[in-house]
Amino acid sequence: QQQVKQSPQSLIVQKGGISIINCAYENTAFDYFPWYQQFPGKGPALLIAIRPDVSEKKEGRFTISFNKSAKQFSLHIMDSQPGDSATYFCAASVQTGANNLFFGTGTRLTVIP
Amino acid sequence: DAGVTQSPTHLIKTRGQQVTLRCSPKSGHDTVSWYQQALGQGPQFIFQYYEEEERQRGNFPDRFSGHQFPNYSSELNVNALLLGDSALYLCASSLKGLKEQYFGPGTRLTVT
Repeated sequence: QQQVKQSPQSLIVQKGGISIINCAYENTAFDYFPWYQQFPGKGPALLIAIRPDVSEKKEGRFTISFNKSAKQFSLHIMDSQPGDSATYFCAASVQTGANNLFFGTGTRLTVIP
Repeated sequence: DAGVTQSPTHLIKTRGQQVTLRCSPKSGHDTVSWYQQALGQGPQFIFQYYEEEERQRGNFPDRFSGHQFPNYSSELNVNALLLGDSALYLCASSLKGLKEQYFGPGTRLTVT
């Protein structure tokens, strides 16, 4: 059972465009929602994260939008660059106990020049 | 400031064998979590260690076991390897009480 559902599976965007990746969850106990970027042969790198008490968080060209009532959150990459080409994972963890992450299935982003 | 390190980088084992993977957490971190990432999938939580004890476990069989040492480094052991155990094994470190987890580069395990 996939606790965090991610879409699309793959995405092709032109340089300078906006990349949008969406995630949805069911468990209302989730209280931390990070995004990770993974290049081939590397481990996931923490990109940006949000908690449910805010609706948006921006760091440079990366923005998370969070809709608590819809139980959805998304990553927006503005001015996408070829160097952004990687696989992106959304994740979530619960309030109590170990902070183990439940990951989405990933989105392979390709930014074409 | 050293990040999370893992060894070895790659490993090839035969079905039925046993394997040990190693992880050193980011400087200042005291909690280590292990994840399995199958090809084309997101990482799946195996277990987490804090204060040298297993604190939480994901849906993995007892063939998967671990250990944490007083210096916070950790080992993942897998017994009776199956072909389906072939995956990238990731170690993530964090500071107890904080949510942020930082991953190492992983160990690519191939079971033939």
